[in-house]
Amino acid sequence: DAGITQSPRHKVTETGTPVTLRCHQTENHRYMYWYRQDPGHGLRLIHYSYGVKDTDKGEVSDGYSVSRSKTEDFLLTLESATSSQTSVYFCAISSPGLYTEAFFGQGTRLTVV
Amino acid sequence: TQLLKQSPQFLSIQEGENLTVYCNSSSVFSSLQWYRQEPGEGPVLLVTVVTGGEVKKLKRLTFQFGDARKDSSLHITAAQPGDTGLYLCAGAGYGQNFVFGPGTRLSVLP
Repeated sequence: DAGITQSPRHKVTETGTPVTLRCHQTENHRYMYWYRQDPGHGLRLIHYSYGVKDTDKGEVSDGYSVSRSKTEDFLLTLESATSSQTSVYFCAISSPGLYTEAFFGQGTRLTVV
Repeated sequence: TQLLKQSPQFLSIQEGENLTVYCNSSSVFSSLQWYRQEPGEGPVLLVTVVTGGEVKKLKRLTFQFGDARKDSSLHITAAQPGDTGLYLCAGAGYGQNFVFGPGTRLSVLP
């Protein structure tokens, strides 16, 4: 299994509070991704990173920010949590190659009340 | 925007039956991946198909990539309860990003 750790695994927070989710990898992969998974929508890309301090937006980036100060860590911040951000969040990693394959963490279940 | 569709959305079968699930798009992909996800876990990569017309076998699972590299199928022979899960296909373009289908939720009853 790819060495990807997400923390926390579960979190309940109140509307309007900031929340930070952490993804840590031990594989030295260049690319890291944050997805959210919701019933009926599948996996949707929030933000991704292609190197230290290099990030870009995905299809559902509003209300989220990311940071990558080290190769191994990719942080996702909900600046002011809303109930619509209740979801399961997955981090993934990949490396450039002939073809791209993603390896996922175990997910963080976030509930905004 | 590249969109992937998967069918059926849900499938419930008895142990020992065969099944096929489909992944379709109007876009061409450089490669396509299949993942299986179990409750409370992240998706786990099963296979990557790259060449149009390619067929790959993984024990009782057979994966096929369409000739035009726009669609794929997953066939399971003699399904077992351990095959239960959410099957996701993902298409990779010519960069490092993926687009995921919504998944097929398979339930194999003993």
